[in-house]
Amino acid sequence: AQSVAQPEDQVNVAEGNPLTVKCTYSVSGNPYLFWYVQYPNRGLQFLLKYITGDNLVKGSYGFEAEFNKSQTSFHLKKPSALVSDSALYFCAVSFNDYKLSFGAGTTVTVRA
Amino acid sequence: DAMVIQNPRYQVTQFGKPVTLSCSQTLNHNVMYWYQQKSSQAPKLLFHYYDKDFNNEADTPDNFQSRRPNTSFCFLDIRSPGLGDAAMYLCATSRSVEGSDTQYFGPGTRLTVL
Repeated sequence: AQSVAQPEDQVNVAEGNPLTVKCTYSVSGNPYLFWYVQYPNRGLQFLLKYITGDNLVKGSYGFEAEFNKSQTSFHLKKPSALVSDSALYFCAVSFNDYKLSFGAGTTVTVRA
Repeated sequence: DAMVIQNPRYQVTQFGKPVTLSCSQTLNHNVMYWYQQKSSQAPKLLFHYYDKDFNNEADTPDNFQSRRPNTSFCFLDIRSPGLGDAAMYLCATSRSVEGSDTQYFGPGTRLTVL
């Protein structure tokens, strides 16, 4: 069975500092990994995904994520966080069909 | 811009009174999904349409139904809403049911049940 863990419920960083949101996965075979962001009372916005190839994936709004097969991780990173990055972040994994398994979500707060 | 649209954004209904939520898309995607999300939890898939083929998740209550009259529109019908059905309902689309295809979400409809 496929599953995703986001070990941190909350991440707090100062504006301008690097931001990392952690995600680990458990799936048989080769996973497809996604990151979404959700602002209050909004739907999920797609940030980036890993399918195959280069382990470093670049996405929207300056975010990137690195696929690490040996550590079964797909951490989301941003070199310099903005106050506007404060939101709820979801990692998700799929395998061979449409079913996305979401992590529990990580609330990011960026303080000015 | 191509997008997924949900109407209304906020819906209030009474206990037991049927309610319909609407989703439309300009992406021309084959697949449309309905998710339920409670209190900033992870979204839970209710069902999806691949073209006209309806696929229900095993644990979706019978109280939830869906219709897809054409490629662009999909509706979520809640026949007799209970207090436990208060949630954010998210519509999403994708080109296919391949695991690698991105699902694009609408802004959601927040349902309140009085």
